[in-house]
Amino acid sequence: QVHLVESGGGVVQSERSLRLSCAASGFNFRISGMHWVRQAPGKGLEWVAVIWADGSKTIYADPVKGRFTISKDNSENTLYLQMNSLRVEDTAVYYCARDQGGAPFDIWGQGTMVTVSS
Amino acid sequence: EIVLTQSPGTLSLSPGERGTLSCRASQSVSSTYLAWYQQRPGQAPRLLIYGTSRRATGIPDRFSGSGSGTDFTLTISRLEPEDFAVYYCQQYVASPWTFGQGTKVEIK
Repeated sequence: QVHLVESGGGVVQSERSLRLSCAASGFNFRISGMHWVRQAPGKGLEWVAVIWADGSKTIYADPVKGRFTISKDNSENTLYLQMNSLRVEDTAVYYCARDQGGAPFDIWGQGTMVTVSS
Repeated sequence: EIVLTQSPGTLSLSPGERGTLSCRASQSVSSTYLAWYQQRPGQAPRLLIYGTSRRATGIPDRFSGSGSGTDFTLTISRLEPEDFAVYYCQQYVASPWTFGQGTKVEIK
């Protein structure tokens, strides 16, 4: 069974940090690119970051560039999102999703909620 | 950045009716790199269509996609109760990956 399970969300004050995790199972994580996508309450989907399968390349959306870091541990089948200097506008459900290389996001986790308070 | 604009914002239909959702891109998108997702309330998005017209695994054939260039369409031939949800188009040809703002299909 193919699965992605996010964790690490919670309530945090602005300017603080949080690290999200996404545990993968049921597929070859080593050869999978991975993304983070977020959804603010009542809003649409916003792409956040991507990491290549081997971790050699990362790209970030402008709103999070310089504050968020995506990484993956292929030995632990886990994706991470380190979020620093959090802002109220980062409040959202954060989803991890698989991309098999120039492909759509075919597997999604259930999401983890991050609430940033002022 | 490729901006995707979906219309209408909300589509009010009855079960059994046909639904037609539009996605317009700010620049040409190769048909290989246009997808549609369904998101039911409280759930994660689910891939429906990729490569403009290819159904993802397990997606019923009442869902179909078409289009080219800057204009793409998702058609639901006969709406089932479980199809009332929000639908997003997405381009994955270039960074930043972008989504449309969504079309909500609601029960009339």
